[in-house]
Amino acid sequence: AQTVTQSQPEMSVQEAETVTLSCTYDTSESNYYLFWYKQPPSRQMILVIRQEAYKQQNATENRFSVNFQKAAKSFSLKISDSQLGDTAMYFCAFILVSSGSARQLTFGSGTQLTVLP
Amino acid sequence: SQTIHQWPATLVQPVGSPLSLECTVEGTSNPNLYWYRQAAGRGLQLLFYSVGIGQISSEVPQNLSASRPQDRQFILSSKKLLLSDSGFYLCAWSDPRGFQPQHFGDGTRLSIL
Repeated sequence: AQTVTQSQPEMSVQEAETVTLSCTYDTSESNYYLFWYKQPPSRQMILVIRQEAYKQQNATENRFSVNFQKAAKSFSLKISDSQLGDTAMYFCAFILVSSGSARQLTFGSGTQLTVLP
Repeated sequence: SQTIHQWPATLVQPVGSPLSLECTVEGTSNPNLYWYRQAAGRGLQLLFYSVGIGQISSEVPQNLSASRPQDRQFILSSKKLLLSDSGFYLCAWSDPRGFQPQHFGDGTRLSIL
């Protein structure tokens, strides 16, 4: 079974600074996708960034980037130039690329990020 | 473009009453559909998923059930709600042909009294 661990329940960062959220996962499979989702106070679940396990290059989306270390099974999210609107719960998620499955997401327990003015 | 609609947004129900939450997807065909529950301050727990009409897989045994009467409609039901059913329920869809991320509805906040 796959597991996703987010060891930081809460973090805070000053506006305009950089913060890194950590995520580790456990799987015996080699082909999978990793995601970071953001859940602001409105509780909408919003996709932030995606990483394919077969790609060595780290994904980036504007101020958001990941550090994907496949051997270490680590997938951290870096937020640069933090903005007040980045305040949210952040979830790391994992999905196997295996035929015949519904490709179920496994979520971590989340990290509550607060951006301070 | 694809959209997902989930309703109601908020629901307050007494213990023992029935439940029906509905989710519909537009702009895509044969999506994979999912129901998640999120307890306060916790992560998401997958309850049910469906890869086609009438095909439902349950992840967690409970007094909830799901149905998929149409390709883009997914319903979460209960005959008798328990206090422990309180939480935030999220519907999601994904494209079964590729490895696209799941897209979520706005959620239903369910309170059991």
